[in-house]
Amino acid sequence: GEDVEQSLFLSVREGDSSVINCTYTDSSSTYLYWYKQEPGAGLQLLTYIFSNMDMKQDQRLTVLLNKKDKHLSLRIADTQTGDSAIYFCAEYQGLKGGADGLTFGKGTHLIIQP
Amino acid sequence: DSGVTQTPKHLITATGQRVTLRCSPRSGDLSVYWYQQSLDQGLQFLIQYYNGEERAKGNILERFSAQQFPDLHSELNLSSLELGDSALYFCASSAGGRDGSEAFFGQGTRLTVV
Repeated sequence: GEDVEQSLFLSVREGDSSVINCTYTDSSSTYLYWYKQEPGAGLQLLTYIFSNMDMKQDQRLTVLLNKKDKHLSLRIADTQTGDSAIYFCAEYQGLKGGADGLTFGKGTHLIIQP
Repeated sequence: DSGVTQTPKHLITATGQRVTLRCSPRSGDLSVYWYQQSLDQGLQFLIQYYNGEERAKGNILERFSAQQFPDLHSELNLSSLELGDSALYFCASSAGGRDGSEAFFGQGTRLTVV
Protein backbone atom coordinates (compact mmCIF):
# COMPACT_ATOMS: atom_id res chain seq x y z
CA GLY A 1 0.00 0.00 0.00
CA GLU A 2 0.88 3.69 -0.05
CA ASP A 3 3.49 4.88 2.41
CA VAL A 4 1.68 8.18 2.93
CA GLU A 5 -2.09 8.52 2.66
CA GLN A 6 -4.28 11.58 2.47
CA SER A 7 -7.88 12.32 1.60
CA LEU A 8 -8.22 13.64 -1.95
CA PHE A 9 -10.56 16.55 -1.18
CA LEU A 10 -11.53 18.82 1.68
CA SER A 11 -14.17 21.52 1.37
CA VAL A 12 -14.46 24.29 3.98
CA ARG A 13 -16.17 27.64 4.28
CA GLU A 14 -14.14 30.80 4.16
CA GLY A 15 -13.25 31.84 7.69
CA ASP A 16 -13.53 28.34 9.15
CA SER A 17 -10.59 26.19 10.15
CA SER A 18 -9.33 23.53 7.75
CA VAL A 19 -7.84 20.31 9.06
CA ILE A 20 -5.94 18.18 6.57
CA ASN A 21 -5.00 14.72 7.74
CA CYS A 22 -2.26 12.36 6.74
CA THR A 23 -1.20 8.90 7.83
CA TYR A 24 2.17 7.35 7.25
CA THR A 25 3.46 3.86 7.75
CA ASP A 26 7.13 4.13 8.66
CA SER A 27 7.72 4.79 12.32
CA SER A 28 11.36 5.61 11.60
CA SER A 29 10.41 8.75 9.70
CA THR A 30 12.51 11.57 11.05
CA TYR A 31 10.90 14.61 9.47
CA LEU A 32 7.37 15.16 8.26
CA TYR A 33 6.50 17.98 5.90
CA TRP A 34 3.58 19.89 4.53
CA TYR A 35 3.86 21.37 1.05
CA LYS A 36 1.38 23.56 -0.80
CA GLN A 37 0.91 23.52 -4.55
CA GLU A 38 -1.18 26.21 -6.20
CA PRO A 39 -2.53 25.65 -9.73
CA GLY A 40 0.26 25.72 -12.29
CA ALA A 41 2.91 26.32 -9.66
CA GLY A 42 5.63 24.37 -7.93
CA LEU A 43 5.60 23.03 -4.41
CA GLN A 44 6.00 25.49 -1.60
CA LEU A 45 7.29 24.27 1.73
CA LEU A 46 4.78 25.34 4.38
CA THR A 47 6.16 23.79 7.49
CA TYR A 48 7.81 20.69 8.84
CA ILE A 49 8.00 18.89 12.15
CA PHE A 50 10.70 16.73 13.60
CA SER A 51 9.56 13.34 14.80
CA ASN A 52 10.32 14.06 18.47
CA MET A 53 7.83 16.94 18.51
CA ASP A 54 4.08 16.71 19.08
CA MET A 55 3.05 20.09 17.84
CA LYS A 56 4.38 23.04 15.91
CA GLN A 57 2.62 26.35 15.39
CA ASP A 58 3.46 28.97 12.81
CA GLN A 59 0.98 31.86 12.52
CA ARG A 60 -2.25 30.36 11.09
CA LEU A 61 -0.73 26.90 10.71
CA THR A 62 -0.68 24.22 13.40
CA VAL A 63 0.90 20.84 12.83
CA LEU A 64 0.01 17.96 15.14
CA LEU A 65 1.93 14.71 15.16
CA ASN A 66 0.71 11.51 16.80
CA LYS A 67 3.61 9.11 16.50
CA LYS A 68 1.75 6.24 18.10
CA ASP A 69 -0.96 6.35 15.45
CA LYS A 70 1.42 7.59 12.72
CA HIS A 71 -0.95 10.47 12.09
CA LEU A 72 -0.06 13.98 11.01
CA SER A 73 -2.45 16.87 10.61
CA LEU A 74 -2.28 20.42 9.35
CA ARG A 75 -4.75 22.94 10.71
CA ILE A 76 -5.22 26.22 8.87
CA ALA A 77 -7.05 28.79 10.99
CA ASP A 78 -9.35 31.38 9.39
CA THR A 79 -9.15 29.77 5.95
CA GLN A 80 -9.02 32.27 3.09
CA THR A 81 -9.58 31.95 -0.64
CA GLY A 82 -5.82 32.20 -1.13
CA ASP A 83 -5.45 28.95 0.78
CA SER A 84 -7.11 27.07 -2.06
CA ALA A 85 -4.46 24.63 -3.27
CA ILE A 86 -3.32 21.04 -3.07
CA TYR A 87 -1.58 20.18 0.19
CA PHE A 88 0.97 17.41 0.22
CA CYS A 89 2.11 15.52 3.26
CA ALA A 90 5.61 14.06 2.95
CA GLU A 91 7.89 11.99 5.11
CA TYR A 92 11.64 11.75 5.19
CA GLN A 93 13.08 8.49 6.44
CA GLY A 94 16.75 9.16 6.01
CA LEU A 95 18.91 7.09 3.71
CA LYS A 96 16.92 3.90 3.47
CA GLY A 97 17.19 1.23 0.85
CA GLY A 98 19.01 3.63 -1.42
CA ALA A 99 16.16 6.10 -1.56
CA ASP A 100 16.88 9.39 0.13
CA GLY A 101 14.11 11.56 -1.15
CA LEU A 102 10.85 12.50 0.38
CA THR A 103 7.86 10.18 0.08
CA PHE A 104 4.74 12.15 -0.75
CA GLY A 105 1.07 11.50 -0.34
CA LYS A 106 -1.20 12.03 -3.32
CA GLY A 107 -2.22 15.44 -2.01
CA THR A 108 -5.43 16.90 -0.56
CA HIS A 109 -7.25 19.44 -2.68
CA LEU A 110 -8.54 22.17 -0.36
CA ILE A 111 -11.66 23.82 -1.75
CA ILE A 112 -12.88 27.06 -0.19
CA GLN A 113 -16.58 27.85 -0.26
CA PRO A 114 -17.54 31.55 -0.10
CA ASP B 1 10.31 32.43 -4.97
CA SER B 2 12.06 29.31 -3.64
CA GLY B 3 15.42 30.18 -5.19
CA VAL B 4 15.42 26.99 -7.26
CA THR B 5 15.32 27.66 -10.99
CA GLN B 6 14.17 25.18 -13.59
CA THR B 7 14.27 25.55 -17.34
CA PRO B 8 12.43 25.27 -19.57
CA LYS B 9 8.98 25.78 -18.02
CA HIS B 10 7.24 23.91 -20.80
CA LEU B 11 8.49 21.37 -23.31
CA ILE B 12 6.60 19.60 -26.06
CA THR B 13 8.33 16.83 -27.95
CA ALA B 14 7.59 13.73 -29.96
CA THR B 15 7.82 10.11 -28.91
CA GLY B 16 11.27 8.63 -29.31
CA GLN B 17 13.03 11.94 -28.77
CA ARG B 18 15.45 12.98 -26.06
CA VAL B 19 15.22 16.08 -23.85
CA THR B 20 17.29 17.70 -21.14
CA LEU B 21 15.80 19.48 -18.17
CA ARG B 22 17.93 21.89 -16.21
CA CYS B 23 17.94 22.87 -12.56
CA SER B 24 19.88 25.51 -10.64
CA PRO B 25 19.69 24.93 -6.89
CA ARG B 26 19.45 27.57 -4.21
CA SER B 27 22.71 29.29 -3.50
CA GLY B 28 24.74 27.16 -1.10
CA ASP B 29 22.59 24.03 -1.40
CA LEU B 30 24.60 20.91 -2.16
CA SER B 31 21.76 18.44 -2.69
CA VAL B 32 19.57 18.31 -5.77
CA TYR B 33 16.58 16.03 -6.04
CA TRP B 34 14.48 15.23 -9.09
CA TYR B 35 10.82 14.31 -8.85
CA GLN B 36 8.16 13.36 -11.37
CA GLN B 37 4.55 14.35 -10.82
CA SER B 38 1.88 12.63 -12.87
CA LEU B 39 -1.84 12.23 -12.39
CA ASP B 40 -1.72 8.49 -11.84
CA GLN B 41 1.53 8.13 -9.87
CA GLY B 42 1.48 11.35 -7.88
CA LEU B 43 4.87 12.71 -6.83
CA GLN B 44 7.65 10.18 -7.27
CA PHE B 45 11.25 10.60 -6.18
CA LEU B 46 13.61 9.91 -9.08
CA ILE B 47 17.18 10.61 -8.03
CA GLN B 48 19.36 12.66 -5.71
CA TYR B 49 22.79 14.19 -6.18
CA TYR B 50 24.93 15.58 -3.41
CA ASN B 51 27.92 17.76 -4.22
CA GLY B 52 28.32 16.23 -7.65
CA GLU B 53 27.91 12.60 -6.66
CA GLU B 54 24.86 10.42 -7.06
CA ARG B 55 23.47 9.88 -3.56
CA ALA B 56 20.31 7.86 -4.03
CA LYS B 57 17.99 6.49 -6.66
CA GLY B 58 14.25 6.17 -6.49
CA ASN B 59 11.83 5.17 -9.22
CA ILE B 60 13.96 6.32 -12.11
CA LEU B 61 13.71 4.51 -15.43
CA GLU B 62 16.84 3.31 -17.21
CA ARG B 63 15.96 5.64 -20.10
CA PHE B 64 16.44 8.56 -17.69
CA SER B 65 19.71 9.82 -16.32
CA ALA B 66 20.93 12.81 -14.42
CA GLN B 67 24.11 14.54 -13.43
CA GLN B 68 25.26 17.36 -11.20
CA PHE B 69 28.00 19.63 -12.43
CA PRO B 70 30.84 21.30 -10.47
CA ASP B 71 28.81 24.51 -10.22
CA LEU B 72 26.08 22.34 -8.62
CA HIS B 73 23.48 22.80 -11.30
CA SER B 74 21.87 19.58 -12.43
CA GLU B 75 20.42 18.16 -15.61
CA LEU B 76 17.88 15.39 -16.05
CA ASN B 77 18.10 13.62 -19.38
CA LEU B 78 15.07 11.77 -20.67
CA SER B 79 15.51 9.60 -23.75
CA SER B 80 13.40 7.38 -26.00
CA LEU B 81 10.42 9.32 -24.75
CA GLU B 82 7.04 7.67 -24.49
CA LEU B 83 3.58 9.18 -24.11
CA GLY B 84 3.55 8.05 -20.50
CA ASP B 85 6.55 10.22 -19.72
CA SER B 86 4.35 13.30 -19.98
CA ALA B 87 4.44 14.82 -16.52
CA LEU B 88 5.61 17.70 -14.40
CA TYR B 89 9.24 17.29 -13.42
CA PHE B 90 10.38 19.04 -10.29
CA CYS B 91 13.81 19.76 -9.03
CA ALA B 92 14.37 20.46 -5.36
CA SER B 93 17.45 21.46 -3.43
CA SER B 94 18.49 21.32 0.17
CA ALA B 95 21.54 22.23 2.17
CA GLY B 96 22.32 18.76 3.46
CA GLY B 97 22.22 15.29 2.07
CA ARG B 98 21.29 13.13 5.03
CA ASP B 99 19.84 15.29 7.72
CA GLY B 100 16.33 15.77 6.40
CA SER B 101 16.84 19.46 6.05
CA GLU B 102 13.92 20.98 4.21
CA ALA B 103 13.87 20.76 0.45
CA PHE B 104 12.82 23.72 -1.65
CA PHE B 105 11.18 23.07 -4.96
CA GLY B 106 11.43 24.79 -8.30
CA GLN B 107 8.40 25.65 -10.38
CA GLY B 108 8.77 22.51 -12.46
CA THR B 109 9.11 21.69 -16.13
CA ARG B 110 5.95 20.47 -17.79
CA LEU B 111 6.86 17.86 -20.38
CA THR B 112 4.31 16.87 -22.98
CA VAL B 113 5.15 13.96 -25.25
CA VAL B 114 2.99 13.76 -28.37
